[in-house]
Amino acid sequence: QSVLTQPPSASGTPGQRVTISCSGSSSNIGTTFVYWYQHLPGTVPKLLINRNDQRPSGVPDRFSGSKSGTSASLAISGLRSEDEADYYCAAWDDSLSGVVFGGGTRLTVL
Amino acid sequence: EVQLLESGGGLVQPGGSLRLSCAASGFTFSSYAMGWVRQAPGQGLEWVSVISRSGGNTYYADSVKGRFTISRDSSKNTLYLQMNSLRVEDTALYYCAKDLVASGYYGAFDYWGQGTLVTVSS
Repeated sequence: QSVLTQPPSASGTPGQRVTISCSGSSSNIGTTFVYWYQHLPGTVPKLLINRNDQRPSGVPDRFSGSKSGTSASLAISGLRSEDEADYYCAAWDDSLSGVVFGGGTRLTVL
Repeated sequence: EVQLLESGGGLVQPGGSLRLSCAASGFTFSSYAMGWVRQAPGQGLEWVSVISRSGGNTYYADSVKGRFTISRDSSKNTLYLQMNSLRVEDTALYYCAKDLVASGYYGAFDYWGQGTLVTVSS
């Protein structure tokens, strides 16, 4: 059971906007930064969102992150087939003194 | 170009030991925290350990605490993970990753190696 809770799956059609949620607690999302990773099959994970809502260089602006209280969300607009991947949220947990990952959400582009 | 090259994985019996290495290049190794993240077959990402830029602060997941030791050698630009008392459940692909920060709120891993496979089985 992961410290951060994500839905196991999400789906959408090309061009749609989808959101993936990540629920935590006051010791992680509530007080620290949230990070989002994209893990495409056969590749290494890629940092998609840094510090709640910042996109690293090279990440399309179709991807956006937000945080409110102890929850965070990743939104993908203009969905494309190449967005089909596993998405993970992560955060530092002050109580555990460690990084915690969500269980991952498999995004399917229908 | 940032490169992280892991080595040291392999097949080991339960209770055995392995030392993973991660050779880093293309950035100032001593300026950033570094970490290990693993992925068991068919499972999600699991953070294992992180070490601060100086090496003075180390943190571990509860699942490996007391068995694994992370260290770094800035003279060799290399990150290590000493794994002792290995268990079947430690079987996974182990990724070396560079953090965006030197210390503080870790978890923003902006570069990842290709991973090295550790299999614990009798």
